[in-house]
Amino acid sequence: SQKIEQNSEALNIQEGKTATLTCNYTNYSPAYLQWYRQDPGRGPVFLLLIRENEKEKRKERLKVTFDTTLKQSLFHITASQPADSATYLCALDLQTSYDKVIFGPGTSLSVIP
Amino acid sequence: GAVVSQHPSRVICKSGTSVKIECRSLDFQATTMFWYRQFPKQSLMLMATSNEGSKATYEQGVEKDKFLINHASLTLSTLTVTSAHPEDSSFYICSAMEGDYGYTFGSGTRLTVV
Repeated sequence: SQKIEQNSEALNIQEGKTATLTCNYTNYSPAYLQWYRQDPGRGPVFLLLIRENEKEKRKERLKVTFDTTLKQSLFHITASQPADSATYLCALDLQTSYDKVIFGPGTSLSVIP
Repeated sequence: GAVVSQHPSRVICKSGTSVKIECRSLDFQATTMFWYRQFPKQSLMLMATSNEGSKATYEQGVEKDKFLINHASLTLSTLTVTSAHPEDSSFYICSAMEGDYGYTFGSGTRLTVV
């Protein structure tokens, strides 16, 4: 069956450390993989997109890796800050006959001062 | 950057009535918009893909007669929840894609059916 899994537990880390979130998928072949941030009661905000032929993408303190063999993406936030506390969603863009984006369950990140 | 405006942000309606939610792309044209619903502490579930000038594509298990989608222009898509029941209470979010880089989401609509 098809599924997307993220860190099953909420992630608590100390300020200044690097947070690493995982996204694993089964029986999908995404053309792109995206990461979003969602704060309570708000819509997701796009962070990064990585294509299937890219290994790594960076944006400021964010880094995403994409391993299509392992069917896994890692999302890193370096020098984490309390303001980074939120739920992070990975999303697979399936590029079917129409654009279709499937979201993972999300990982709740808390950065402790 | 791209902005998607969603209205209303919150609505409370009586069981059996209909509610319309609007989603507008403010500074770009969106031939395709997406509608999601999200239950507390759960991820977004794609309900349907809204295409300008044609019928929406609904995901399996989503009742098209209950969740009416209209995409009459390149900047506006609407979702109407008809004959709403308490189990329809949820957080509804729309999104659109500008260019080739990620999706922009509206701020969501919290629907409560009493």
